[in-house]
Order: sequence, then C-alpha cells, then structure tokens
Amino acid sequence: EVQLLESGGALIQPGGSLRLSCAASGLTFSTSPMTWVRQAPGKGLEWVSAIGAGGSSTYYADSVKGRFAVSRDNSKNTLYLQMNSLRAEDTAVYYCAKIFECGGSCRALDYWGQGTLVTVSS
Amino acid sequence: ESVLTQSPGTLSLSPGERATLSCRASQSVSSGYLAWYQQRPGQAPRLLIYSASRRATGTPDRFSGSGSGTDFTLTISRLEPEDFAVYYCQQYGSSPPWTFGQGTRVEIK
Repeated sequence: EVQLLESGGALIQPGGSLRLSCAASGLTFSTSPMTWVRQAPGKGLEWVSAIGAGGSSTYYADSVKGRFAVSRDNSKNTLYLQMNSLRAEDTAVYYCAKIFECGGSCRALDYWGQGTLVTVSS
Repeated sequence: ESVLTQSPGTLSLSPGERATLSCRASQSVSSGYLAWYQQRPGQAPRLLIYSASRRATGTPDRFSGSGSGTDFTLTISRLEPEDFAVYYCQQYGSSPPWTFGQGTRVEIK
C-alpha cells in the first residue's frame, strides 16, 4: 500500500523558514516524480512545486519561485520542501503527491498524503 | 498558462440524480493531461479521472469524464451519499505550472 506522510508543519512568524518532509513507502520512490500542492483554509487547491524522479528537474509556481526549494533524498524515500521568507498568504495545508505518468502521454496525481498545516502569523 | 474555470460553483442535487460538472480551459489542453479529483471534507484529494476520460483504480463506473480541447465534463450518473464533495479539474501542460480549477461543490438538496 502506498503511503505518503507529511510532517514539519507549524506556526511560524512572517519572514521565517520551515522545511516540510514527505516520507514515502509502498512505492518505488526513486522512479517517482513528486509534487507539492497546497490548500489555504476554506479555499481550493494550488499547485506549488514538482520534482523529477532523479531530483535534477524542479518546477515552481510563480507565487513561491525564489522562496521555496523542493528536493528529495531517494536513499531515504523522502521529499522535502524548504520554505523561506514565509508570508501570511503561504498559510495552508501542504500535500505531497506522487505524479503518475503513462508513457509520456498522460499525467495525474495518483497518491496523496494527508497534509501538514503551515500557519504564518505573528 | 491555461486557466481552468469550473461551473457551476455549487450544484444542489438529491441522491440518485445525475450531476454534470464543467471545466473550461483558457487554452487548449491535451486530453492526456486533464484530470479530475474528489475531495471530501477533512480529507486529501483523490484522483478520479485521468486523461480526461480514464477512470483511476477504484473509481466507480458511475463516474465518467469526457471532452477535449478547452471543454471537459465530469458526469456522475446517479449520486450516492458519499459523492457529495468538492470536485477539481487540473491540467498538465507540457511544462508547469499545472493549474487547478476553483472547484465545484456538489451538495445535498
């Protein structure tokens, strides 16, 4: 059974930094591209960042570019999101999800974690 | 970047009725890169449909997806109590950003 378990969410002051982790099990993590998606309280889903299976390709939403950094440690089956210069508008539940690709002709997020809450407030 | 607009914002229906949800893109989306997700209260999203029309593992056959280009539809043929939730479409272009629609809430009438 595939499991994704996020951790690291906290109450943090504006301007602060936080690192989220996503521990994966039940899948071949080293061959799985991964992504982060967030959801502000009472709002919809917002794609945040993605990383290729090897870790060399990374992608970011404009809203977090230059402040967030995605990385992974395939030896530990763990995905990370380093968040710097946090703002109130970064307050959200952050989900990690596995990217499913079918031979390069389709893409979707087939497994999701339960999320971790980040609250940016003074 | 393709913007996805979902309609209606809220759909009020009774169990057993048919639900039709729309997702319109501002730019053409390859059908292979359009997915639908269900999110129940307090839960993470769950993949329902990928490639516009292919059911994900475990998705009941009362859910179907259709469409191409800029117009996509998710249909629930007969609503079950567990189907009352929020539904999101998402597009995957050749490169990110991969945008979500704002969601359609299906509520019990």
